[in-house]
This record gives sequence, C-alpha cells and structure tokens, in this order.
Amino acid sequence: KAGVTQTPRYLIKTRGQQVTLSCSPISGHRSVSWYQQTPGQGLQFLFEYFSETQRNKGNFPGRFSGRQFSNSRSEMNVSTLELGDSALYLCASSLFLVAAGVGSYEQYFGPGTRLTVT
Amino acid sequence: QKEVEQDPGPLSVPEGAIVSLNCTYSNSAFQYFMWYRQYSRKGPELLMYTYSSGNKEDGRFTAQVDKSSKYISLFIRDSQPSDSATYLCASPNSGGSNYKLTFGKGTLLTVNP
Repeated sequence: KAGVTQTPRYLIKTRGQQVTLSCSPISGHRSVSWYQQTPGQGLQFLFEYFSETQRNKGNFPGRFSGRQFSNSRSEMNVSTLELGDSALYLCASSLFLVAAGVGSYEQYFGPGTRLTVT
Repeated sequence: QKEVEQDPGPLSVPEGAIVSLNCTYSNSAFQYFMWYRQYSRKGPELLMYTYSSGNKEDGRFTAQVDKSSKYISLFIRDSQPSDSATYLCASPNSGGSNYKLTFGKGTLLTVNP
C-alpha cells in the first residue's frame, strides 16, 4: 500500500508570496492532519480534516488555511509568507475509527515539504 | 507547562547499548501514546503505539507507560548505528472530533559503531 505523498518536496519563496502544498493520504484514510516542524518549536499541529470538514485547528494565524477534497486529498495554503514560516510542513493520514478503540488513532506521516522563505 | 515534555538530549551511546528515552505528560486525558522515529530530512515514522499502563514489546523496542506518574518510556535493546535518529513521543487528545497529536520536542540519539 502506498504511503502518504506530499508535493512539492522543496520550495523556495520570497516574503509576501503565497504557497500551496499538497498531500495525498494512504488509500482508505479519511483523516488528514498538517503539522509544522521547526528546530525551535518542534512539531506543531496546524489543522485536521475529516470528510472535507476541518475539525481541529491549531494556534496559527489565519494566513494558514487548508481544505480537503472528496477523494481525501488535502492542500494547505499559506498567504503573505513571512521569514518565520520557513519550516518542514508535514502531512499525516489516519483511519481515525472512533469506535474501533486501540489502533485507530495512529497517524502516518509523509516525507514533508521543506519551505524556505527568503 | 507544555503538555508533553521530552529530554532533548543529545544522547550518544555505543553500539549494543540499551537506550532509554523518556517523556512526561501533564494532561490526564491522554490515553494513547506513540513513539515516532525521524531520520534526518525525513518524515516521522510510527514505531510503537500503546494504550493504558504497562509494557508493549516489538522486536528490540519496548514501550512503557506509567499513568500514575504520567511517564512514558521507549527502550531500545542491542542498539544499532541505524537507530541513530530523533525519537519523538506523542499523544492524541482522546475522543470524538478533538483529535490532534501533541508531540514532545524529540530526543536526538546517536549510536556509535
């Protein structure tokens, strides 16, 4: 079974621009989460989507947004880029079967998109 | 206080050593715990997944949870140079739609041949 894929793998943008990152989850997984990873803050939760609905949002400004499509693929967008947005952006997918108990919360990560803002 | 605290290390051990990686958590609602391994410039890879107190073993890896002290550990036996990576502990908020992973900062482990 194919893993989580993310495109592009690397991006260089300048301040003020916007960027869109893409994530394809593991087949059958309906929950997609996005995380930002930086050396200083570690892994921080951005948002989570399930069946095209954003269910959870982390403590990030409104410049960070996302969406999920009917095939569970997801995109995140960052507008008006700032230098501090330079990070590894990770997408994770999960089955998230609420009634299934143990084993249903596992998240599987993609390789990430490394964004550099200059 | 951060919800999940992890000693950042770095930790350097000789090949064959037993490695102990530890985290503490503050939120009593946490019920599930995960350990991820992240190699340089890669995404985190799920290693172990545990629920409730006690031990769970998988090959050279043992995950231990002590809910009374809010302490979780990962033990690596017969460590190998290929185990050199950053290890992250994490917990999902339990229940319904309130689902996200809260991570520790990670411990950088180097296993020297």
